[in-house]
Amino acid sequence: DVKVTQSSRYLVKRTGEKVFLECVQDMDHENMFWYRQDPGLGLRLIYFSYDVKMKEKGDIPEGYSVSREKKERFSLILESASTNQTSMYLCASSLWRLAGPTDTQYFGPGTRLTVL
Amino acid sequence: AQSVAQPEDQVNVAEGNPLTVKCTYSVSGNPYLFWYVQYPNRGLQFLLKYITGDNLVKGSYGFEAEFNKSQTSFHLKKPSALVSDSALYFCAVRDTAGGGSQGNLIFGKGTKLSVKP
Repeated sequence: DVKVTQSSRYLVKRTGEKVFLECVQDMDHENMFWYRQDPGLGLRLIYFSYDVKMKEKGDIPEGYSVSREKKERFSLILESASTNQTSMYLCASSLWRLAGPTDTQYFGPGTRLTVL
Repeated sequence: AQSVAQPEDQVNVAEGNPLTVKCTYSVSGNPYLFWYVQYPNRGLQFLLKYITGDNLVKGSYGFEAEFNKSQTSFHLKKPSALVSDSALYFCAVRDTAGGGSQGNLIFGKGTKLSVKP
């Protein structure tokens, strides 16, 4: 089974702090994704990566950055946390297929971040 | 623009009754469609997907979904609901803009399913 793990289930930070959310997958997937989930808004894509050291902006990248130094690890960074970044953050991974059907995304358990 | 819509914020069903959670989509090209479930304080779990072939797709936990091209719908169904099916359900469609080979998905806003004993 695919396993996607996230470093923390719950996190409380103060405004202005630098926050790191870590995600690790053990299935050698090329694609990795960071979403945030807010009530009534569903899942919104922040950033994704389809290879080591590659990154692409999603729908809401402002205030975030990412790092992918190793294939299995994808980090989300909040450079200066703000209260409007309080949310549930979900990491996912999937196989990459050249011009083929999308492969299933597998999700981690999520990190509920509160910024005070 | 590509999109997926879940018209119901909440669906209430009595245990043992059939359930339907609705999803409609708008994409260019062939639609690749997914259903995920999220239990409280958990990540999303994959239920089933439609890529091609039979319009009725069977998935985990006794769920199935019917692809209807003419109505651009992909409704999730189960013949007999369980209290343990109570959760948040998300429909998703492959994002085909820009080629889509990276596998991005566009998610609906979710439907809360509540199954009462």
